[in-house]
Amino acid sequence: AQTVTQSQPEMSVQEAETVTLSCTYDTSESDYYLFWYKQPPSRQMILVIRQEAYKQQNATENRFSVNFQKAAKSFSLKISDSQLGDAAMYFCAYRRNSGGSNYKLTFGKGTLLTVNP
Amino acid sequence: DTAVSQTPKYLVTQMGNDKSIKCEQNLGHDTMYWYKQDSKKFLKIMFSYNNKELIINETVPNRFSPKSPDKAHLNLHINSLELGDSAVYFCASSQDSEAVLQETQYFGPGTRLLVL
Repeated sequence: AQTVTQSQPEMSVQEAETVTLSCTYDTSESDYYLFWYKQPPSRQMILVIRQEAYKQQNATENRFSVNFQKAAKSFSLKISDSQLGDAAMYFCAYRRNSGGSNYKLTFGKGTLLTVNP
Repeated sequence: DTAVSQTPKYLVTQMGNDKSIKCEQNLGHDTMYWYKQDSKKFLKIMFSYNNKELIINETVPNRFSPKSPDKAHLNLHINSLELGDSAVYFCASSQDSEAVLQETQYFGPGTRLLVL
């Protein structure tokens, strides 16, 4: 079974600084997707960024980028120029992409990010 | 305009009652999910339906019964509510057909259930 581990329950960053959230996962499959979701106090789950396992190039979305290390099964999220609105719980998630229809998301336990003004 | 909607957003009820949460998506997706987020914020899959067919049932007590009247709706009925059922329940949808695979799941706003 796949597992996703976020080893940092809480992180804090100063506004305008850069922070990196860690995520590791365990799977025996080679074809999968990885995601970072953000959950602000409103509790809405918002997709931040996604990465296809077959792509070597790291995904980027504006101030958000990932460091995807497939061999190490590591998928960290870097937030540059942190803003107060980035304060939220961040979840790393895994989804298989091979045959069948069991495409559930497996989530890590989350990292609570605080942004200090 | 809401892509995935859930009703109600808040639900407070007594132990032993039966309640339902409704979910609707207007994205044209063929797969819908229910996730449970516990008090420690841990999110876990409960059910998944693809084209109205149950695909995933993750060791959820049979007091929980999902129902999908059509591809756009997936409702969750809970019988004999217990204190431990208190959580936030999220509905999500994605397009998982072989022809058009869109891997991203879009979530509803969540339903906070409190059992007293």
